[in-house]
Amino acid sequence: EIVLTQSPGTLSLSPGERAILSCRASQSVSSNFLAWYQQKPGQAPRLLIDGASSRATGIPDRFSGSGSGTDFTLTISRLEPEDFAVYYCQQYGSAPRTFGQGTKVEIK
Amino acid sequence: EVQLVESGGGLVQPGGSLRLSCAASRFTFSSFWMHWVRQAPGQGLVWVSRINSDGSNTYYADSVKGRFTISRDNAKNTLYLQMNSLRVEDTAMYYCARAGRGDGSLSTAFGMWGQGTMVTVSS
Repeated sequence: EIVLTQSPGTLSLSPGERAILSCRASQSVSSNFLAWYQQKPGQAPRLLIDGASSRATGIPDRFSGSGSGTDFTLTISRLEPEDFAVYYCQQYGSAPRTFGQGTKVEIK
Repeated sequence: EVQLVESGGGLVQPGGSLRLSCAASRFTFSSFWMHWVRQAPGQGLVWVSRINSDGSNTYYADSVKGRFTISRDNAKNTLYLQMNSLRVEDTAMYYCARAGRGDGSLSTAFGMWGQGTMVTVSS
């Protein structure tokens, strides 16, 4: 099983700042099948990025993903008020599918 | 509207059973693999189970293997999760999720999620 470790656990930033979230895998992620999801309180997760760097339909271009192998990054170039949420990475290249423990982006 | 809607959650005693349903609408349900993911209160996302498009192949997390059974009825556009021998630690919001964006891409990331159904196991 691939274990995903996200850092930091919490990121305290102000609107307009850049957010950089990290996701490290315990072994190489097959074909870079790494996704990022956003979850707001009381809501289901929403797909932001798949294939490590492809934005899902309707996702603003301030969200970008990068990385390969075992190290991946989600960058939010300029935080908007609606971006304060919890973000999860997930690998979907091998079974069982696994999620990181999440990074909370909170308003400073 | 293209959506997934879960139902069947509730309060159950330890050792009891529940069957969750996930109704799909406005997309070709039979073309997609489907998954169940759960989230304990205040905790992160945990993958539970998946089923392939025709229902012939399934896979489970070790924590539920032998107790939970995933299935689907493509004629009814519905996914199921039969949960037996429930434990207190199974308490969570249960989400069904579609593998695939549905926009023609080959991605099998979880491109669509239901709103979830809450399962509480307590005496």
